Amino acid sequence: AQSVTQLGSHVSVSEGALVLLRCNYSSSVPPYLFWYVQYPNQGLQLLLKYTTGATLVKGINGFEAEFKKSETSFHLTKPSAHMSDAAEYFCAVSHSGGYQKVTFGTGTKLQVIP
Amino acid sequence: EAGVAQSPRYKIIEKRQSVAFWCNPISGHATLYWYQQILGQGPKLLIQFQNNGVVDDSQLPKDRFSAERLKGVDSTLKIQPAKLEDSAVYLCASSLDYRQPQHFGDGTRLSIL
Repeated sequence: AQSVTQLGSHVSVSEGALVLLRCNYSSSVPPYLFWYVQYPNQGLQLLLKYTTGATLVKGINGFEAEFKKSETSFHLTKPSAHMSDAAEYFCAVSHSGGYQKVTFGTGTKLQVIP
Repeated sequence: EAGVAQSPRYKIIEKRQSVAFWCNPISGHATLYWYQQILGQGPKLLIQFQNNGVVDDSQLPKDRFSAERLKGVDSTLKIQPAKLEDSAVYLCASSLDYRQPQHFGDGTRLSIL
């Protein structure tokens, strides 16, 4: 069984400040991890993914995430928030080795304050 | 490349009526997913197709929901009869295979009166 926990359903940051969105996962096998972003009235868009290899993953729009196995975490960061980053962010987990559906977290809504 | 197309974008029906949603995945994507996203929650997988075969429908309320993917391309999701708790956004996604990232359509927002 696998699960995802996103701490904080709402996060507010000032424009130019660091963005940190937290994600912890539970998986009995090595995970595949994803971050998706959802803008209002749109579907989800992939920001970045971790499968194997380098634990620091860079994605689109200046976001990156670090896979920490010892902490079972995959937190999303961006050094400087932009107004256009305001959206809802979903962490998701899957894994290799046969069929396994992707499990999504409940989402974190990011507000950027000018 | 063209993205995942869904229609309609919005639908309002009364409870006990039926409704159908359509999805056209990205060309060449073998895997197609239907998700239900209730306000304030993450997407919940309803059904996953690999080509035109069902891989996972464990969370599909089969007494009222049905889905098909004819010829392994387009797909339709039907609800009959609708209940108030079915009010949600229904998202379709596709991927090259189940290990690859999913590409999402913009969804259909369903309101049940």
